[in-house]
Amino acid sequence: DAGVIQSPRHEVTEMGQEVTLRCKPISGHDYLFWYRQTMMRGLELLIYFNNNVPIDDSGMPEDRFSAKMPNASFSTLKIQPSEPRDSAVYFCASSLGGFGNTIYFGEGSWLTVV
Amino acid sequence: GEDVEQSLFLSVREGDSSVINCTYTDSSSTYLYWYKQEPGAGLQLLTYIFSNMDMKQDQRLTVLLNKKDKHLSLRIADTQTGDSAIYFCAESGGAGSYQLTFGKGTKLSVIP
Repeated sequence: DAGVIQSPRHEVTEMGQEVTLRCKPISGHDYLFWYRQTMMRGLELLIYFNNNVPIDDSGMPEDRFSAKMPNASFSTLKIQPSEPRDSAVYFCASSLGGFGNTIYFGEGSWLTVV
Repeated sequence: GEDVEQSLFLSVREGDSSVINCTYTDSSSTYLYWYKQEPGAGLQLLTYIFSNMDMKQDQRLTVLLNKKDKHLSLRIADTQTGDSAIYFCAESGGAGSYQLTFGKGTKLSVIP
């Protein structure tokens, strides 16, 4: 079975540019999560969706960040404009809802903003 | 808010047992998880334990949960060089919560 698929795997961009990260969750999963990983703060939950609807975006750092899930098989995380402090690994994850939910992670998108 | 604490580094010799410890603060945690992250890769679920259990064994992995002390540990028997990675402890919130709170991870180095 295909796991969670993220693209791009690596992105280097200049400050001020728009960055779009993409995610395809595991087929049939109804929850999708976006996490950010940095050395300083570890893994932080940015936002999660249930059945394509954003449920909790309290982890989104600021208005420069936005996430969408137009259908059950695709989500985007957009940063506009990007800043050097946004450099991190961004993970998408998905799960099948219910107790004991096992969250499966993608391989991550490694973002560097210079 | 919820907090999960882990020591940052652990070094063991190949063939020895590794014990990675974790403490958490949310007493309503329903499930507790161990994830493994190899260099340049995403997080891989290793195992999880339901909060009404105190032990779970899965091949070389043993998870111990002390709910009173809010302490979780992962024991890896016969540690191999392939076990070198970062190990994350995570807890899910109480009923109805689908969020995980992660520790900062313990980097396990296995010395040949």
